[in-house]
Amino acid sequence: DARVTQTPRHKVTEMGQEVTMRCQPILGHNTVFWYRQTMMQGLELLAYFRNRAPLDDSGMPKDRFSAEMPDATLATLKIQPSEPRDSAVYFCASGPREGANQPQHFGDGTRLSIL
Amino acid sequence: AQSVTQPDIHITVSEGASLELRCNYSYGATPYLFWYVQSPGQGLQLLLKYFSGDTLVQGIKGFEAEFKRSQSSFNLRKPSVHWSDAAEYFCAVSGNTPLVFGKGTRLSVIA
Repeated sequence: DARVTQTPRHKVTEMGQEVTMRCQPILGHNTVFWYRQTMMQGLELLAYFRNRAPLDDSGMPKDRFSAEMPDATLATLKIQPSEPRDSAVYFCASGPREGANQPQHFGDGTRLSIL
Repeated sequence: AQSVTQPDIHITVSEGASLELRCNYSYGATPYLFWYVQSPGQGLQLLLKYFSGDTLVQGIKGFEAEFKRSQSSFNLRKPSVHWSDAAEYFCAVSGNTPLVFGKGTRLSVIA
């Protein structure tokens, strides 16, 4: 089965450090989503892309978060500088074609701990 | 804007018993509805989806869900729960925007 691949699976770092999370969407999928999951807030949509172009990043703190798709096989989410409140599980998901109503396929997430 | 409510935060059922997880949505037009399951340490896996047509949809792992427009509900059911069904279950709705997820229902299964 094709899968969304996220790296790293776990990341522990100190406050103020830059964090980069990577996602390889399923080949042929043209929509990519970034979510953050916490106990308090549940699943929050941070940003999403269609055909590598950012469509909506209103869920992201703009001053410290950035999301990009350098090419069709790689999406990145960066936090600089990181803060303890950024500790969460970050999920990437991809969708098969046009339309935000298409089922999304999730990676296994990056568990981020900021000390 | 669309929204999803999962009224039950945590449900415990006995193995072999039937299960129903509740989901209520808010959306002005016909929604696209989904149920996902998340096992510990893993991402979300699609169980089933409703786009149109038959209001009773079948999914993987023996799950089914029924769309009831009059009640704005999309409840998930399984006739006989297995211990491996213990997980977090998320209902999601989509219209013209990306998926909006409920807060989830954690299912515990006891012997």
